Amino acid sequence: GQSLEQPSEVTAVEGAIVQINCTYQTSGFYGLSWYQQHDGGAPTFLSYNALDGLEETGRFSSFLSRSDSYGYLLLQELQMKDSASYFCAPDTGGFKTIFGAGTRLFVKA
Amino acid sequence: DVKVTQSSRYLVKRTGEKVFLECVQDMDHENMFWYRQDPGLGLRLIYFSYDVKMKEKGDIPEGYSVSREKKERFSLILESASTNQTSMYLCASSDRGDEQYFGPGTRLTVT
Repeated sequence: GQSLEQPSEVTAVEGAIVQINCTYQTSGFYGLSWYQQHDGGAPTFLSYNALDGLEETGRFSSFLSRSDSYGYLLLQELQMKDSASYFCAPDTGGFKTIFGAGTRLFVKA
Repeated sequence: DVKVTQSSRYLVKRTGEKVFLECVQDMDHENMFWYRQDPGLGLRLIYFSYDVKMKEKGDIPEGYSVSREKKERFSLILESASTNQTSMYLCASSDRGDEQYFGPGTRLTVT
């Protein structure tokens, strides 16, 4: 079967660093995407890791370990506007991407 | 900029009605998707299409059908709406496996 695990909620303080972990089990795997979704909004693409290692895009970085079926999203210098839900989404091939329940991030002042 | 539009932001229908949700994308993407999003369950794939007139079932296709007569347009059809189909419906398009572009969503209430 296929499974995806992320924490349901994470709370952090403005200016801090937070890491959102993701473990997955899929029948096929090509890469791991991350999406952000604000309340009432549509998911928007943040990053994609096809290979092991860290990808950095501004304040956000994403990491993948294919051997461990594990990835994480790292958000630095947290801002209030980062309060949102974050989804890791394994690309299982055939253009099918799995989305889990996501992690709700609360940023406090 | 990729733009994915959905025909309605909010829709209220009665049980048993036939419901059409329309999605249009303007980036000539091959692939289009319909998801529903419910609290605590994330996004679940209903159907997707990788070419005109081609469709594949997702994880929860029961009670739904789709139509893709033109490349830019992907329609989701609820043949006979039921209250358990009350949900947020999201359409997306992509041209590769890493990034999907989502529409604003349609919040459907079936009473």
